[in-house]
Amino acid sequence: AQSVTQLGSHVSVSEGALVLLRCNYSSSVPPYLFWYVQYPNQGLQLLLKYTTGATLVKGINGFEAEFKKSETSFHLTKPSAHMSDAAEYFCAVSEINSGNTPLVFGKGTRLSVIA
Amino acid sequence: NAGVTQTPKFRILKIGQSMTLQCTQDMNHNYMYWYRQDPGMGLKLIYYSVGAGITDKGEVPNGYNVSRSTTEDFPLRLELAAPSQTSVYFCASRTVGQGATGELFFGEGSRLTVL
Repeated sequence: AQSVTQLGSHVSVSEGALVLLRCNYSSSVPPYLFWYVQYPNQGLQLLLKYTTGATLVKGINGFEAEFKKSETSFHLTKPSAHMSDAAEYFCAVSEINSGNTPLVFGKGTRLSVIA
Repeated sequence: NAGVTQTPKFRILKIGQSMTLQCTQDMNHNYMYWYRQDPGMGLKLIYYSVGAGITDKGEVPNGYNVSRSTTEDFPLRLELAAPSQTSVYFCASRTVGQGATGELFFGEGSRLTVL
């Protein structure tokens, strides 16, 4: 069975500092990996995804994530935090091309950005 | 392009009442899902559907029912509402198979309070 662990339910960074949100996954088959962002009182929006190919993937708003198979990790980073990055971030895993196995989500990490 | 549309956005129910959360998508996706989101718990899958006429239980199906008579619509019914069903509900859809990346497209959510 698949699972996702997000380390840290709340991360606080200063504006301009590095953002690092951690995600580790468990999957018995090669995974598809996703990061979603949720702004207050809104739905979830796709930030970036890894399917196949290049292990460093770039997303919207300057975020990127690196798939490390040996570490079963897919950590999300951004070099310089902006106040508008304050939101909740969810990591998710899915088996490749399996609609019968829906995405499994982590519990989320709330990012606060301090001026 | 509307994507995934959920109604209503907000609803207050009394214990024991019933209601239906509506979800429709215009992307011709075969796969549709209902999640609930509770603070600090991430998203939990309630029910999903792999196509018209086919539904299956997710992680937390008790107290809910679904139907899928068309590709576009996937309503979620709450029977005999209980305070434990106070949550934010998200409908999502996706396509899988060759060339698809498996990402979920979310509606904006329906916030339900049971008093």
